[in-house]
Amino acid sequence: ELKVEQNPLFLSMQEGKNYTIYCNYSTTSDRLYWYRQDPGKSLESLFVLLSNGAVKQEGRLMASLDTKARLSTLHITAAVHDLSATYFCAVDPTGANSKLTFGKGITLSVRP
Amino acid sequence: EAQVTQNPRYLITVTGKKLTVTCSQNMNHEYMSWYRQDPGLGLRQIYYSMNVEVTDKGDVPEGYKVSRKEKRNFPLILESPSPNQTSLYFCASSPNLGGKEKLFFGSGTQLSVL
Repeated sequence: ELKVEQNPLFLSMQEGKNYTIYCNYSTTSDRLYWYRQDPGKSLESLFVLLSNGAVKQEGRLMASLDTKARLSTLHITAAVHDLSATYFCAVDPTGANSKLTFGKGITLSVRP
Repeated sequence: EAQVTQNPRYLITVTGKKLTVTCSQNMNHEYMSWYRQDPGLGLRQIYYSMNVEVTDKGDVPEGYKVSRKEKRNFPLILESPSPNQTSLYFCASSPNLGGKEKLFFGSGTQLSVL
C-alpha cells in the first residue's frame, strides 16, 4: 500500500525567513504533484514534477523531486503572509494520473 | 471560463436517503475523479474515470457509486448515506495526458448525514 508522508504537519513560519517542507512516499514513482488549499477553499495546483531531479519554481516556492530517495521538498524563500495555507503532495505510482494518493497536508502559518 | 462545477455546495440529509452530488467540467477532460477530505486524513480517492463508460475504484469506494455516461459529467451517488460519510467532497478533472497534467478541482460539497 502506498504511503505518502508529509512533515511537519504544522509549521509556524516567521515572515522573511526560509523554510523547507518534505514529502516522502513509500513506492516507486517518477511523478509527484503539489497542491495548495486555502482555508475553506478548494485545491489549486502548484507544481507537477515528472522526473528524477525535476525542479520547478514559482515566486517564493521551489519544489524538487528525488525519485531515488522517494522524497520531494518544497522550499519557501522569505515567507510572506500570503503563503499561509495547507500544502498537499500527491503521488501517482501508475504514471497515468489515475490512482492519486495524497499526503495529509502541511499547514503553514506565517506570522509577522 | 474553464471550470469544474459541483452541486450542491452544502447538503444536510438523513441516514438512508439517497442523494446525488453532481460534477460537471467544461474543458473536455477525459479524466475525472472524486475525493473525500476528512480532518487529519487528507484527501482520499473514492472513484475515478479515465473516459466515458470507464470507471474504477479508488481507495475508499464503499458506499458510493458513480457513472460516466457523458464526458463532461461524473455524478457521485450515495444510495444509502450513513453518518460516516459526512465529509467534504471534491470532484476533479484533468486532460489525462499520461499523468503529466495537473488536476482541476471543483469548489467542494460539504455533506452532513444525520
